[in-house]
Amino acid sequence: ELKVEQNPLFLSMQEGKNYTIYCNYSTTSDRLYWYRQDPGKSLESLFVLLSNGAVKQEGRLMASLDTKARLSTLHITAAVHDLSATYFCAVDRGSNYKLTFGKGTLLTVNP
Amino acid sequence: NAGVTQTPKFRVLKTGQSMTLLCAQDMNHEYMYWYRQDPGMGLRLIHYSVGEGTTAKGEVPDGYNVSRLKKQNFLLGLESAAPSQTSVYFCASTRQQSGNTIYFGEGSWLTVV
Repeated sequence: ELKVEQNPLFLSMQEGKNYTIYCNYSTTSDRLYWYRQDPGKSLESLFVLLSNGAVKQEGRLMASLDTKARLSTLHITAAVHDLSATYFCAVDRGSNYKLTFGKGTLLTVNP
Repeated sequence: NAGVTQTPKFRVLKTGQSMTLLCAQDMNHEYMYWYRQDPGMGLRLIHYSVGEGTTAKGEVPDGYNVSRLKKQNFLLGLESAAPSQTSVYFCASTRQQSGNTIYFGEGSWLTVV
């Protein structure tokens, strides 16, 4: 059974600081997704990581994938208040793009 | 751009009542999914479909049925609602392509009393 663990589950940080959210998964997978969810809203796709060593960046967010370690990271650079949201990683189970989600990381960026 | 549209957005049901959630996508996607999201948990897959006329069980299928009579629509039914089915339901869709983005609808808030 595929398990996906995120940590931390709660993250409070100051504006301008850097931090990393970690996503570990238990079985082999070659596709990993990161989503952002604002309260009461849908899931917004941030990154799709397809292969070992993949790195993608968008603004202050950078995601990477290490399939050998079964680990993905979401790095936040110089956080701003607008990044406050819940971030989910999700792993493709290997067929039909069925996703197994982590529990999410609630990020709060304080002035 | 409508994307993935869910109806209704909010619904309150009494225990034992039935209802259907409708998901419609206008992107000609082959794959469609229903997930539920509960507090403190990530999304869990209820049922999914890889094409018109086909459906399959996901991680938490009990108490739900689905149908995909048209490629653009995926229906989720609750035959006899239970309080444990109080949740936020998300529909998603994607095309059959590696590196694809999986798009989610805006969610349907269901309360069973």
